[in-house]
Amino acid sequence: EAQVTQNPRYLITVTGKKLTVTCSQNMNHEYMSWYRQDPGLGLRQIYYSMNVEVTDKGDVPEGYKVSRKEKRNFPLILESPSPNQTSLYFCASSPRPGQATYEQYFGPGTRLTVT
Amino acid sequence: KNEVEQSPQNLTAQEGEFITINCSYSVGISALHWLQQHPGGGIVSLFMLSSGKKKHGRLIATINIQEKHSSLHITASHPRDSAVYICAVVSGGGADGLTFGKGTHLIIQP
Repeated sequence: EAQVTQNPRYLITVTGKKLTVTCSQNMNHEYMSWYRQDPGLGLRQIYYSMNVEVTDKGDVPEGYKVSRKEKRNFPLILESPSPNQTSLYFCASSPRPGQATYEQYFGPGTRLTVT
Repeated sequence: KNEVEQSPQNLTAQEGEFITINCSYSVGISALHWLQQHPGGGIVSLFMLSSGKKKHGRLIATINIQEKHSSLHITASHPRDSAVYICAVVSGGGADGLTFGKGTHLIIQP
């Protein structure tokens, strides 16, 4: 089954404790992206990757890191989480390199709470 | 940066009604997506449009590139259509990723 998986689905952590949210897709997609969703602000792009070893900042990259060492995986790293990073996070992938013009496949979301 | 506006923000209707959700954007785009977010939080892609009209079951999406406007229509609405509908645009060549509207919260009452 074609899917995007994220782990963990729920996470409560404390300020400053490094964490990683994993994202993996089994569709051989080149394009992957991370978004955060906040009430009243909607979805906003954090980082995206057009292919292996190619990543770029989205609209709200501060406080986040990503890496794309393999095509299928695109982990989101919070080196020193802060309460303002409490949010619902989505990973997504699509097939075309450099273009988000094809159907987007979303992961199930990760609800992160930073206290 | 593209500004994406959706209307209405909230919509409550009776089962069977014809529903229209609108999306407008400020800068020319290469494609527009309509997404559906269920109450449980999951997001699914409904349509990707670059011109004209697409239909899938009771859902119809149209786009007018010149007017920078798209609409999502639901015919014979049903309570299971209750969800948040999100418009997202792809500007330029698409390498910038998606810019999203804030969503339309639709409730269909039986």
